[in-house]
Amino acid sequence: EVQLVESGGGLVKPGGSLRLSCAASGFTFSDYSMNWVRQAPGKGLEWVSLIDSTSSYIYYADSVKGRFTISRDNAKNSVFLQMNSLRAEDTAVYYCAEGSTAPGYWGRGTLVTVSS
Amino acid sequence: DIQMTQSPSSLSASVGDRVTITCRASQGIRNDLGWYQQKPGKAPKRLILEASTLQSGVPSRFSGSGSGTEFTLTISSLQPDDSATYYCLQHDSYPRTFGQGTKVEI
Repeated sequence: EVQLVESGGGLVKPGGSLRLSCAASGFTFSDYSMNWVRQAPGKGLEWVSLIDSTSSYIYYADSVKGRFTISRDNAKNSVFLQMNSLRAEDTAVYYCAEGSTAPGYWGRGTLVTVSS
Repeated sequence: DIQMTQSPSSLSASVGDRVTITCRASQGIRNDLGWYQQKPGKAPKRLILEASTLQSGVPSRFSGSGSGTEFTLTISSLQPDDSATYYCLQHDSYPRTFGQGTKVEI
């Protein structure tokens, strides 16, 4: 059974940093691209970033470019999102999701709250 | 960036009704589109991939169609469990973009 489990969310002050993790199991992690997608409270889905299976190709939404960094560790079946210079508008549930097309597997999400 | 315009933003329908949700892409995306269902407090669930391929395990009352710039998600006979918000997602180019969502109430 495929499982994606996010962790690392919490309350952080504006300008602060947070590192999210997503632990994968139940599939050959090193064969798949991974995404981060977020959803602000009461709002729609926003794609954040993708990293391909070998970390050769990385893409970001304009809203996070230069502040967020995606990475992965295939030996540990994990993908990460380093978030710096956080803003109030980054407050959201952050989901990791598998796949380079329309992701089929999603985690349950981790809540990031940016507030003073 | 490709913009995905989804309509309507919300709808109310009755059990057994046929429901249609539309996504329009600002430029051609071939059939690189997925449809998702999301219920409150839950992760999105993929219903349709490649515009028209039904995800395994998803009821056959759901169907997708379209190519290029116009796409449709149809629920042929609305059921109480279909109350949710539905999103389209283009994966033709980066950044990936979602439609704004359609809230379906029964």
